[in-house]
Amino acid sequence: EVQLVESGGGLIPPGGSLRVSCVASGFSFSTYWMHWVRQTPGKGLVWVARISPDGSITTYADSVNDRFTVSRDNAKNTLFLQMKGLGAEDTAVYYCVRDIYATFDYWGQGTLVTVSS
Amino acid sequence: EILMTQSPATLSVSPGERATLSCRASQNVNTYLAWYQQRPGQAPRLLIHSASARATDIPARFSGSGSGSEFTLTIGSLQSEDFAVYYCQQTITWPYTFGQGTKLEIK
Repeated sequence: EVQLVESGGGLIPPGGSLRVSCVASGFSFSTYWMHWVRQTPGKGLVWVARISPDGSITTYADSVNDRFTVSRDNAKNTLFLQMKGLGAEDTAVYYCVRDIYATFDYWGQGTLVTVSS
Repeated sequence: EILMTQSPATLSVSPGERATLSCRASQNVNTYLAWYQQRPGQAPRLLIHSASARATDIPARFSGSGSGSEFTLTIGSLQSEDFAVYYCQQTITWPYTFGQGTKLEIK
């Protein structure tokens, strides 16, 4: 069974940093593109970042470019999202998502990041 | 960036009836279109990819159609578990963008 389990969310003051993680199981993690998608009540679902199976290619949404870094540890079946310079607009549930042929076929349960003083 | 527009924002339908949800893309996305269902407190779940292909284990009452810029998700004979929010997403051009969602509620 494919499982994606995020962790690391929490309450962060504006300007702070946070790293969220996603542990994958039930599939060959190292052969899939992976993504982070976030969801806010006001803006719905927004794609944030993606990473290639070997980690050599990363792409970011304009809104997070230069502030967020996606990475992966294939030996530990884990996806990461390092976030810095957080603002209120980054408050969201962050989902880890598997990509198969440009389709987001499995989603984790999400981890809530709240940016507030 | 391709803008995805879903209509209506809220759709009220009685159990057992059929629901039709619409999604429009601001540019031609061919059939690079997916539909997701999100129940309260849950993550989105893939229903349809490539505009009309049902994902694994999705019941046959869910069907997708359309190409280019106009798409439809039809849910036949609504079950209680089908009342949720539905999102469309284009996957032809980065960044992949989602519609704002249609909430399907019980009439």
